[in-house]
Amino acid sequence: GENVEQHPSTLSVQEGDSAVIKCTYSDSASNYFPWYKQELGKRPQLIIDIRSNVGEKKDQRIAVTLNKTAKHFSLHITETQPEDSAVYFCAASPPSGTYKYIFGTGTRLKVLA
Amino acid sequence: NAGVTQTPKFQVLKTGQSMTLQCAQDMNHEYMSWYRQDPGMGLRLIHYSVGAGITDQGEVPNGYNVSRSTTEDFPLRLLSAAPSQTSVYFCASSYAGADYGYTFGSGTRLTVV
Repeated sequence: GENVEQHPSTLSVQEGDSAVIKCTYSDSASNYFPWYKQELGKRPQLIIDIRSNVGEKKDQRIAVTLNKTAKHFSLHITETQPEDSAVYFCAASPPSGTYKYIFGTGTRLKVLA
Repeated sequence: NAGVTQTPKFQVLKTGQSMTLQCAQDMNHEYMSWYRQDPGMGLRLIHYSVGAGITDQGEVPNGYNVSRSTTEDFPLRLLSAAPSQTSVYFCASSYAGADYGYTFGSGTRLTVV
């Protein structure tokens, strides 16, 4: 089955700097890679996703890149702000017809003012 | 739309007691799932459903039952609560499957003493 490893587990950056979180997946047939943000005490919320036929996707200050050969994908946050502080989860989903998202273990991002 | 609604928000059970966590969505999503969230372990899939009358096991199904009699509702039953089931439980739904983003409920914090 699919396995997703996420690094680092914690990340502290100065406000205005960039943050990068990396995930590696095991199932080469996985074709959908979402990222979720979870603020303290709140529910996870989808912030960006990418499909296996795309190498990069951007949405304002956040971007996701996918390297299918190496089986890893990364979340990039530029010009970080204090409100970016949260736990971020990556996930990988096997091909259509299944329903088993596998999540990474999360990265706690702290943006220092 | 209310989205995904979970009840209760908090619950304390004694070992051996049973209870049902409720989950309802009003978005006409076919796919629904239950996750548990434990510190350092991310989100782990308990059970999922691809439509009314169809359910299947996830990564950690032992000690839990589900049913899906309607598109809207997907209750999770704890048969005989154990301290190891102390966790935060999230229900999530998706329009069309594991290769689309999830909408999460607000979670149920369960403590088993």
